[in-house]
Amino acid sequence: EAGVVQSPRYKIIEKKQPVAFWCNPISGHNTLYWYLQNLGQGPELLIRYENEEAVDDSQLPKDRFSAERLKGVDSTLKIQPAELGDSAVYLCASSLGPRDRTEAFFGQGTRLTVV
Amino acid sequence: DAKTTQPNSMESNEEEPVHLPCNHSTISGTDYIHWYRQLPSQGPEYVIHGLTSNVNNRMASLAIAEDRKSSTLILHRATLRDAAVYYCILRGSGGSNYKLTFGKGTLLTVNP
Repeated sequence: EAGVVQSPRYKIIEKKQPVAFWCNPISGHNTLYWYLQNLGQGPELLIRYENEEAVDDSQLPKDRFSAERLKGVDSTLKIQPAELGDSAVYLCASSLGPRDRTEAFFGQGTRLTVV
Repeated sequence: DAKTTQPNSMESNEEEPVHLPCNHSTISGTDYIHWYRQLPSQGPEYVIHGLTSNVNNRMASLAIAEDRKSSTLILHRATLRDAAVYYCILRGSGGSNYKLTFGKGTLLTVNP
C-alpha cells in the first residue's frame, strides 16, 4: 500500500513568489493534516481536514497561506507571497479518522527554501 | 493542549535497552499517550500508544505509570536505525483535541 505522497520534495523560490505543495493521502483516510516543521523543532499543525471540511485552521496564517482539499482526497497548500521566514519543511499526514486511537501516517515532506 | 516533558537528548549503545521517559502531569482521564519518532530527513512515524495499561508491539513497549502522570517508551535492543527524535504526545477526545501536538522530543543517539 502506498503511503502519503507529497510533491515536490524540495523547492527553492525567491521571496514574494507563490508556491504550492501537493499531498495525496492514503486511500480511504478521511482526516488530513498539514504541518510545518522548522529546523530543530517539532511539527506544528497548520490545518486539519475531515473529508472536505477544514475543521481546525486556527494556526494557519490566512493572510498568505491557503489550503484546499477538493473531493476530500488530495490537498494543496499554497503560500502567496512567500517570505524568508517560510523556509521550513511542510509535512502532510493522514489518518482513517480523528479518533484518539488512530495513528497518523506522514509523508516525507517538502523542504521549502525561500531566498 | 495537555503538555508533555521529555529530556532533550539521550544516548545509548547498540543492542542495549533504551528507556525514554515522558512526564505528563496534567493528563486528563480521556487522553491517550502516543509516541512517534522521526528519523533524519523523514516524516514522523507512529511507534505505539496506550491509555492505562502497558502496551507491546513489534517496535517497542510502553510502560504507563499507575497515576498516568508519566510513561516510558522502551526499546528492548537499540539498533543504529533507532537513532531518531522521539515524541511523546497526548491525544484527547473531542474537537481540536484530536490533533497531534508535537513538542521538541528527545533526540536519541545510538552508539555502535
